[in-house]
Amino acid sequence: RKEVEQDPGPFNVPEGATVAFNCTYSNSASQSFFWYRQDCRKEPKLLMSVYSSGNEDGRFTAQLNRASQYISLLIRDSKLSDSATYLCVVKDYGQNFVFGPGTRLSVLP
Amino acid sequence: DADVTQTPRNRITKTGKRIMLECSQTKGHDRMYWYRQDPGLGLRLIYYSFDVKDINKGEISDGYSVSRQAQAKFSLSLESAIPNQTALYFCAVNTGTGAGELFFGEGSRLTVL
Repeated sequence: RKEVEQDPGPFNVPEGATVAFNCTYSNSASQSFFWYRQDCRKEPKLLMSVYSSGNEDGRFTAQLNRASQYISLLIRDSKLSDSATYLCVVKDYGQNFVFGPGTRLSVLP
Repeated sequence: DADVTQTPRNRITKTGKRIMLECSQTKGHDRMYWYRQDPGLGLRLIYYSFDVKDINKGEISDGYSVSRQAQAKFSLSLESAIPNQTALYFCAVNTGTGAGELFFGEGSRLTVL
């Protein structure tokens, strides 16, 4: 079993749609959680950190459920510019970052 | 943001050749990482370093070596390149503070023929 698993995708949604991505992790001792965004052939960039209380940044909402070892990302009112691959990332106490395989999103006009 | 620079950005080489990918950063962050990315497999950790004297193997270190020449420089070497090392390689740095997120270089695309 992979340490970090994500919805395989791809997700093809119309502009304005709401889309949710799911992620699970296997290491219960994981310390920190992130969503990264990666555009085609570019480097990953931090989208947002994920906190147990849930956090929101504009149209993006991230949730963490430590008991279920589950992380989610919700994107509301999708824009064409949201098209990218979304990477779920978990950091353990050894300060290592473990990446999920990513879920590709295409927002269609 | 940390300024992370990778060279070369693209390289085509032949099986058996020695290749070095270089990474430098301008912010003096302690923690530096090398990842490779393959389609469908996400990013996998090759080596990481938390200090000039601290080098650690990651998930897929076989066939690779690294050198932390200075706080700002972390190089990845392929002593004898093979075709299944064809991939996109990323260097990343970690601030070690706050949320502790990673900042990446732009990547080095390596093709081994």
